[in-house]
Amino acid sequence: QKEVEQNSGPLSVPEGAIASLNCTYSDRGSQSFFWYRQYSGKSPELIMFIYSNGDKEDGRFTAQLNKASQYVSLLIRDSQPSDSATYLCAVTSNQFYFGTGTSLTVIP
Amino acid sequence: GAVVSQHPSWVICKSGTSVKIECRSLDFQATTMFWYRQFPKQSLMLMATSNEGSKATYEQGVEKDKFLINHASLTLSTLTVTSAHPEDSSFYICSASSAPATNEKLFFGSGTQLSVL
Repeated sequence: QKEVEQNSGPLSVPEGAIASLNCTYSDRGSQSFFWYRQYSGKSPELIMFIYSNGDKEDGRFTAQLNKASQYVSLLIRDSQPSDSATYLCAVTSNQFYFGTGTSLTVIP
Repeated sequence: GAVVSQHPSWVICKSGTSVKIECRSLDFQATTMFWYRQFPKQSLMLMATSNEGSKATYEQGVEKDKFLINHASLTLSTLTVTSAHPEDSSFYICSASSAPATNEKLFFGSGTQLSVL
């Protein structure tokens, strides 16, 4: 079983809609949870991190963590074409574990 | 966020030559640096973890004699791909953390696209 699992997509949403990206993890002892955005040919860029159960909002982005369900999600409100990228979920227990990423396309 | 500089951004080399990639933390001391490799449309694959002043810890399947890692200072780590072959062509990315604790955020360098002819 992979440490971190994401639906690879592609996920397509129309401009202005809410994009919902999901991630599950296997280690209940995981401490920290991150979302990175990666454009094609570029390195990952940190966009959100969350440590505690619940929601954390930053601009158009909301990270949601549910440790009981071992689930973390990222919501992108008012999606823009510039949000089109691959989104990597990362979880730390004794090291960083990355998911395979979800490809998001926002259609103008 | 913290700045991690990586260069070169891209390199093309002949098969059998060695290539060195540098990773620098510009505004913090990186106790731990990580090296990843990423093939097209795949996720990041951790190659090795290096701590300043000690030998790197390599992931299973990564040849330590082929991928030489040096972390001589708190701001610089280098990855040398020795005797590169076409199958080593990939996107190599470094990242750095200011503390060994893994709840510290990771910041990535800009990556190096290596093409071996």
